[in-house]
Amino acid sequence: NAGVTQTPKFQVLKTGQSMTLQCAQDMNHNSMYWYRQDPGMGLRLIYYSASEGTTDKGEVPNGYNVSRLNKREFSLRLESAAPSQTSVYFCASTPHPRRQETQYFGPGTRLLVL
Amino acid sequence: ILNVEQSPQSLHVQEGDSTNFTCSFPSSNFYALHWYRWETAKSPEALFVMTLNGDEKKKGRISATLNTKEGYSYLYIKGSQPEDSATYLCAFQGAQKLVFGQGTRLTINP
Repeated sequence: NAGVTQTPKFQVLKTGQSMTLQCAQDMNHNSMYWYRQDPGMGLRLIYYSASEGTTDKGEVPNGYNVSRLNKREFSLRLESAAPSQTSVYFCASTPHPRRQETQYFGPGTRLLVL
Repeated sequence: ILNVEQSPQSLHVQEGDSTNFTCSFPSSNFYALHWYRWETAKSPEALFVMTLNGDEKKKGRISATLNTKEGYSYLYIKGSQPEDSATYLCAFQGAQKLVFGQGTRLTINP
């Protein structure tokens, strides 16, 4: 099992460009999450999908959109990148959203917006 | 907005010493408290999921306690080793989402 995979690993964008970060899990988990990590701020939730077919905003959703393509895949889109979106993005998944179970994290995507 | 606080923000400890740090969280709407270990350039790895007041969990030299009534959890590391150097994150689970603290960055000096 690969667990949670993310592509790309690293990306440089110019202000105003768009891109999609991909996330996939092979653990048959129902719930998937997108976080961003900034120095001194821990992990902040951008969007999550409690189950296939649903998505909800997290703490910092502005400037992002998501798609839960199927049970395995959850993508994060930046329509018009801004320097404030320079960050490391982590995808995570968990079997069930309301159970007390750990979240499993992908390796991260490092994004630099110039 | 939920507030999850970790202290201290960073800690330097001599190899062989024991150490502990704190996670404070809201005492209402509690589902679980998660601890993660996060090494630089890697992804966070789960240590514990704690659910009941008074819970104590142990994994090797690392242990954690939970007090849901007063809203805090302690993480203890006994006999620190260089490989314990990492950032330790706690996260409060209220229903479907986790809210993370900012982490405690632990450095073990040989």
